[in-house]
Amino acid sequence: QQQVKQSPQSLIVQKGGISIINCAYENTAFDYFPWYQQFPGKGPALLIAIRPDVSEKKEGRFTISFNKSAKQFSLHIMDSQPGDSATYFCAAKNSGYALNFGKGTSLLVTP
Amino acid sequence: KAGVTQTPRYLIKTRGQQVTLSCSPISGHRSVSWYQQTPGQGLQFLFEYFSETQRNKGNFPGRFSGRQFSNSRSEMNVSTLELGDSALYLCASSSDSTNEKLFFGSGTQLSVL
Repeated sequence: QQQVKQSPQSLIVQKGGISIINCAYENTAFDYFPWYQQFPGKGPALLIAIRPDVSEKKEGRFTISFNKSAKQFSLHIMDSQPGDSATYFCAAKNSGYALNFGKGTSLLVTP
Repeated sequence: KAGVTQTPRYLIKTRGQQVTLSCSPISGHRSVSWYQQTPGQGLQFLFEYFSETQRNKGNFPGRFSGRQFSNSRSEMNVSTLELGDSALYLCASSSDSTNEKLFFGSGTQLSVL
């Protein structure tokens, strides 16, 4: 079963707007939460990641917000640009060797 | 440094055939993971190898197998192909033994007719 639930499935945002993608998990053993960005014809690339001991992490225009009690985390893309148009995957990992991915969000930023 | 290289890029097979996909990790990376990507299921973990040992296997039938060579290159094999095996197969390598930071190749797009 899908261990990480991601929403929305698709998102359209105007240039300069804020894109928000949400993920939820149940397994409290997860201790690492990365986000991956995938462009057509390419493999996913690590964008930003967070651990549960912090509530927020920011890298440039990308911010992860983490709510441990709610078992939810989200990606915020500030000042969204057409070049940000891609598919975004959240993921979660415990002490094992595999990432558990959400099903992805297709983001389109319109000019 | 060259990225993760996967060959072939595209593959068309018919039901019942078998297929072998190849992955060359980033130089120095000893961990290689394989994921299946489909529009309906997203990315699903297949298996992971570290120094030629399979450390973890996902929930896929035994028709899916893999191996890693001493130079860290990896192959995955799918026998008795089914229509549902049509997918993008992604290989990822990592320099850390816990696989927190994965570097993905561009994948092999397999179509089963």
